[in-house]
Amino acid sequence: KQEVTQIPAALSVPEGENLVLNCSFTDSAIYNLQWFRQDPGKGLTSLLLIQSSQREQTSGRLNASLDKSSGRSTLYIAASQPGDSATYLCAVRTDDKIIFGKGTRLHILP
Amino acid sequence: NAGVMQNPRHLVRRRGQEARLRCSPMKGHSHVYWYRQLPEEGLKFMVYLQKENIIDESGMPKERFSAEFPKEGPSILRIQQVVRGDSAAYFCASSPVDSSYEQYFGPGTRLTVT
Repeated sequence: KQEVTQIPAALSVPEGENLVLNCSFTDSAIYNLQWFRQDPGKGLTSLLLIQSSQREQTSGRLNASLDKSSGRSTLYIAASQPGDSATYLCAVRTDDKIIFGKGTRLHILP
Repeated sequence: NAGVMQNPRHLVRRRGQEARLRCSPMKGHSHVYWYRQLPEEGLKFMVYLQKENIIDESGMPKERFSAEFPKEGPSILRIQQVVRGDSAAYFCASSPVDSSYEQYFGPGTRLTVT
């Protein structure tokens, strides 16, 4: 049974710092891995999607990596800003469903 | 091209009433997925539907919950005789062709049972 774990559960860092969010999954048989952002009381915003054959994806200040064999992904955020404060969800696609982690609540201190 | 649409965005029901949540997929998408996010919990898969077919309902509670995606109109998630534990955010996603494609998420319906 696929399980997705995100560490840490919460993180506070000063503005301007680079940071890394971690995600691990137990079954390497995935189609893709996706990072989402969720603001309080809001829906999901897709940030980056990495197909199983890819190693990383970049968008602006965000970079996501995927090591399928070890069941790990990282989301790197460069030069963090207060507007980056949100919950970040990691999700893996297996068969016809997406399995989500519980997220990392990120707070960027101005 | 409008995104996935869900309505209502907020729904309040008393215990014992029925809740009907609607999801209109993106144009050209024929596959719909429902997920539930309980307070302080991650999103959990509930059901996967194609037009007029339930493909995978392994995440649906055995009682009171049902889902449909008719040939015409939106997908409906129905919860009968709601209880306080049903209070959650319900998200719908759609994909274009089959389950290997990226799923696009709607804004969610927040159900509160009083």
